[in-house]
Amino acid sequence: SQQGEEDPQALSIQEGENATMNCSYKTSINNLQWYRQNSGRGLVHLILIRSNEREKHSGRLRVTLDTSKKSSSLLITASRAADTASYFCATERGSGAGGTSYGKLTFGQGTILTVHP
Amino acid sequence: DSGVTQTPKHLITATGQRVTLRCSPRSGDLSVYWYQQSLDQGLQFLIQYYNGEERAKGNILERFSAQQFPDLHSELNLSSLELGDSALYFCASSVATTTGRGDTQYFGPGTRLTVL
Repeated sequence: SQQGEEDPQALSIQEGENATMNCSYKTSINNLQWYRQNSGRGLVHLILIRSNEREKHSGRLRVTLDTSKKSSSLLITASRAADTASYFCATERGSGAGGTSYGKLTFGQGTILTVHP
Repeated sequence: DSGVTQTPKHLITATGQRVTLRCSPRSGDLSVYWYQQSLDQGLQFLIQYYNGEERAKGNILERFSAQQFPDLHSELNLSSLELGDSALYFCASSVATTTGRGDTQYFGPGTRLTVL
């Protein structure tokens, strides 16, 4: 089953606007990662935020993490047509009684972002 | 370009057949992961290898198997193929098996498998 649930499932905006995508998850995590996928192609890693971090920036990307609410958001500022893609959050679970998670990522269903020029 | 290579890019085969997907990780990466992406199941973790040893298993069918060789490349073997096995199969690599450090996983371009 999918750990992460993205919201919204689809987002359509104009160039220059900001895009915000949300991700919720169910179990404790070590980190949460965001990936971008252009139509049917490989996944591109965008940003990783660890469980002890609350916010991270990378260029036009801003990611927040609220472990108390088990949620994260990805903000893309000043969007461009080239940002059109599917965006996925992926969680690496925290170690429990069974030991470490060994890097297994659990992906959400993704948000399809369309940026109109 | 992530530095992870996968071959072939496309594979079309018939039900009941067996195929092998190949992955070469980024230079220096010891961990290899396999994921399956389908319309109904989304992106699912299949299996992970670290330096030749299996480290974690996900939703991998018994008809599927994988291995990582001494040169660190990996192969995913899919046998007795069914229509439902049609999907994109991704390989990813990272520096090391994680103990919570959160190594970034770099994904290859994928192999699109079509079972007719």
